[in-house]
Amino acid sequence: NAGVTQTPKFQVLKTGQSMTLQCAQDMNHNSMYWYRQDPGMGLRLIYYSASEGTTDKGEVPNGYNVSRLNKREFSLRLESAAPSQTSVYFCASSRALGLGNQPQHFGDGTRLSIL
Amino acid sequence: KNQVEQSPQSLIILEGKNCTLQCNYTVSPFSNLRWYKQDTGRGPVSLTIMTFSENTKSNRRYTATLDADTKQSSLHITASQLSDSASYICVVSAGTGGFKTIFGAGTRLFVKA
Repeated sequence: NAGVTQTPKFQVLKTGQSMTLQCAQDMNHNSMYWYRQDPGMGLRLIYYSASEGTTDKGEVPNGYNVSRLNKREFSLRLESAAPSQTSVYFCASSRALGLGNQPQHFGDGTRLSIL
Repeated sequence: KNQVEQSPQSLIILEGKNCTLQCNYTVSPFSNLRWYKQDTGRGPVSLTIMTFSENTKSNRRYTATLDADTKQSSLHITASQLSDSASYICVVSAGTGGFKTIFGAGTRLFVKA
């Protein structure tokens, strides 16, 4: 019963490099999310996907792109990494957007350092 | 501006003692409030959810309260255990159906033997 799986768990990049963070959920959830978590701050929404085939910007989308590959998978891409993108990235899923009484289920995060 | 403020930032207690964590919010229109527990190196896990009409909800040794008038919530942990050491995050959902979620920065709890 994996829930939400994120890969990789750790990554170090040089400024200007690109990479894709992978996320998959096995709960048949419709909605998926990408957050970043920085020290002393609450999680901030980067992008979300209400359902397969749709994606929308969240609070801090600049420098990122996403792809909802299918119902299970939602990837986050950094095209040209910057030191300001050093953070812990969490993927989450929920049954549906707008069902506020449904919890979000989180993966264990990807710890990304940009040198 | 929608905000969620948590206090204290961190807390150290002895095993077996009780503690209370606070959450104040300025979120409108309020939909629901959820407490998450985040262990070190892991993602957040939902503990409780409270809607406007609920003022107390318990989950094992965790009891959450909500005062919608003063826009305050608390999470009380009874008879703490070492495994309670974690960050506790207050999350408020706004809008119809709770579409928009605002995360607090969390309270870091350390339980010592």
